[in-house]
Amino acid sequence: DVVMTQTPLSSPVTLGQPASISCRSSQSLVHSDGSTYLSWLQQRPGQPPRLLIYEISNRFSGVPDRFSGSGAGTDFTLKISRVEAEDVGVYYCMQATHFPWTFGQGTDVEIK
Amino acid sequence: EVQLVESGGGLVQPGGSLRLSCAASGFTFSSNWMSWVRQAPGKGLEFVASIKYDGRDKYYVDSVRGRLAISRDNAKSSLYLEINSLRAEDTAVYYCAKYGNGRSFDYWGQGTLVTVSS
Repeated sequence: DVVMTQTPLSSPVTLGQPASISCRSSQSLVHSDGSTYLSWLQQRPGQPPRLLIYEISNRFSGVPDRFSGSGAGTDFTLKISRVEAEDVGVYYCMQATHFPWTFGQGTDVEIK
Repeated sequence: EVQLVESGGGLVQPGGSLRLSCAASGFTFSSNWMSWVRQAPGKGLEFVASIKYDGRDKYYVDSVRGRLAISRDNAKSSLYLEINSLRAEDTAVYYCAKYGNGRSFDYWGQGTLVTVSS
């Protein structure tokens, strides 16, 4: 199975400051069809996960533009340009290139 | 508005069985792949199973193959997960999720908690 490794596992951030989460896969996520099936999800406390980004950098409907995704191959990044209080939660990367789909361990974003 | 509502969770003894349900609305259920993802208490997310829009193809993670069965009833816009020979390690919140663009899970239900304990 593809192992997804996120860093850091915990990210204390000051309100209004940027945050960045890294996700590294144990093998390339480029599919034979040319697409890279890497997505990012947010899970607020007590809530189900919510899709933020799909295919590396595409924001899902309704996701604020302070969230952005980048990367290629095995290295990917989620950035929050200015953290707001509602961004507190655990963030997961997920790959759906190689079956079975796998998730990173999660990064806990909290306010300092 | 897309809605996914799971039900059927509860406390079950080891070795028992459960059938989870997910009622879908707000989209064309019969045109979408669907999945189950679980989350053990205080832990991360684990993909469990997926089913093609017509129910003909089903995929399972190795750790559950043979004990779990995913199915759907497109006439009822419902997704199911039958879990047999339950073990303590199956204790988790089970989420129903809809596939979206780029093989992402674009909508999730609130989840249903399965607790396996004697």
